[in-house]
Amino acid sequence: AQSVTQPDIHITVSEGASLELRCNYSYGATPYLFWYVQSPGQGLQLLLKYFSGDTLVQGIKGFEAEFKRSQSSFNLRKPSVHWSDAAEYFCAVGGDFSGFQKLVFGTGTRLLVSP
Amino acid sequence: DAGVIQSPRHEVTEMGQEVTLRCKPISGHDYLFWYRQTMMRGLELLIYFNNNVPIDDSGMPEDRFSAKMPNASFSTLKIQPSEPRDSAVYFCASSRERGGYQPQHFGDGTRLSIL
Repeated sequence: AQSVTQPDIHITVSEGASLELRCNYSYGATPYLFWYVQSPGQGLQLLLKYFSGDTLVQGIKGFEAEFKRSQSSFNLRKPSVHWSDAAEYFCAVGGDFSGFQKLVFGTGTRLLVSP
Repeated sequence: DAGVIQSPRHEVTEMGQEVTLRCKPISGHDYLFWYRQTMMRGLELLIYFNNNVPIDDSGMPEDRFSAKMPNASFSTLKIQPSEPRDSAVYFCASSRERGGYQPQHFGDGTRLSIL
């Protein structure tokens, strides 16, 4: 069955340090992959997306993600974290699921940024 | 351009009352999604519409939940009668054609508390 796994529930990173959030997916065809961020009390905001082509995609707020087909992964990275990056991050795979076109979301990773 | 607009932002009501949540999608978007977010279950897709027609309602918890989309610019999610376990944040999202392959744009959600 199609699914998205975010193995880390919480991650704490020092401000200025690098960040990598893990995402693994299970999908039979070529996946459409997304990363969203949710700040407290707000909806989900799209950070970046991968449809095809270059496997390293750039997003907003200095984030990037790399698609690795052999590992079924789409990890999110940022070279230097800012305190304002503290939020919850969701990975999602989009496509055709039993005839229905929709997104399947992971359970999210909460990022804490320490001073 | 205006994003997805949801109302109310917060709703507190007593068990047994009818609750109506409202959503205005982004103009020109053909797909509309209703999600529920809780700590225990994460982000769940309840139902989605394509061109105002319900396509997949398999995520609707039970008959107490109903959703309508009378026109391209308005949708409602209704709970009748409401129960404490319905307390959650409800999100509406919209996307362009091929809803599983395009980014979804989320509203800020309605935080529902059933006493």
